[in-house]
Amino acid sequence: EAQVTQNPRYLITVTGKKLTVTCSQNMNHEYMSWYRQDPGLGLRQIYYSMNVEVTDKGDVPEGYKVSRKEKRNFPLILESPSPNQTSLYFCASSLRGGVLGMSTDTQYFGPGTRLTVL
Amino acid sequence: KQEVTQIPAALSVPEGENLVLNCSFTDSAIYNLQWFRQDPGKGLTSLLLIQSSQREQTSGRLNASLDKSSGRSTLYIAASQPGDSATYLCAVTETSGSRLTFGEGTQLTVNP
Repeated sequence: EAQVTQNPRYLITVTGKKLTVTCSQNMNHEYMSWYRQDPGLGLRQIYYSMNVEVTDKGDVPEGYKVSRKEKRNFPLILESPSPNQTSLYFCASSLRGGVLGMSTDTQYFGPGTRLTVL
Repeated sequence: KQEVTQIPAALSVPEGENLVLNCSFTDSAIYNLQWFRQDPGKGLTSLLLIQSSQREQTSGRLNASLDKSSGRSTLYIAASQPGDSATYLCAVTETSGSRLTFGEGTQLTVNP
């Protein structure tokens, strides 16, 4: 089944403890992206990747890192989480990246990771 | 900066009604517009994608239209069912090379 998977689905952690949220897609998509969703602010893009070894900042990249060593995986790293990073996180992928970071095709979303930083 | 607005924020209708959800965007220089559905505690499911050169797309009981010049899109749902209850989000991809910008969604409840 074609899908985007994220792990963990739920995580409660403490300030400053490094964590990684994994994202994997099995559709051979070039473009992958991370979003966070907050009440009253909607979905905002954190980072995106046009292809392997190509990543760039979205709207709210501060406090996050990403890597794209393989086409299927796009982990989100929080080196020193803070309470303002408490949010619902979504990974997404699409077949192609466009020019300058656009996704030119339908984006497929993972089920989400609910992160709480105490 | 692109801003996407969805009206209404919430909508409750009886089963069987036809309904329209609205999406407006401030910068008409878009590459495409997508409508998504989000169920509680779950990810987003893409419903329809309209390229900037298109006027509408249809999938089953769903029809999405796009008027790029006026910065508007509508999602029409025919013969609504309780299973249609969800939050509907629209998002635009800008030609300026920016990113996918989402509206805050319309929370739809279809009552049996």
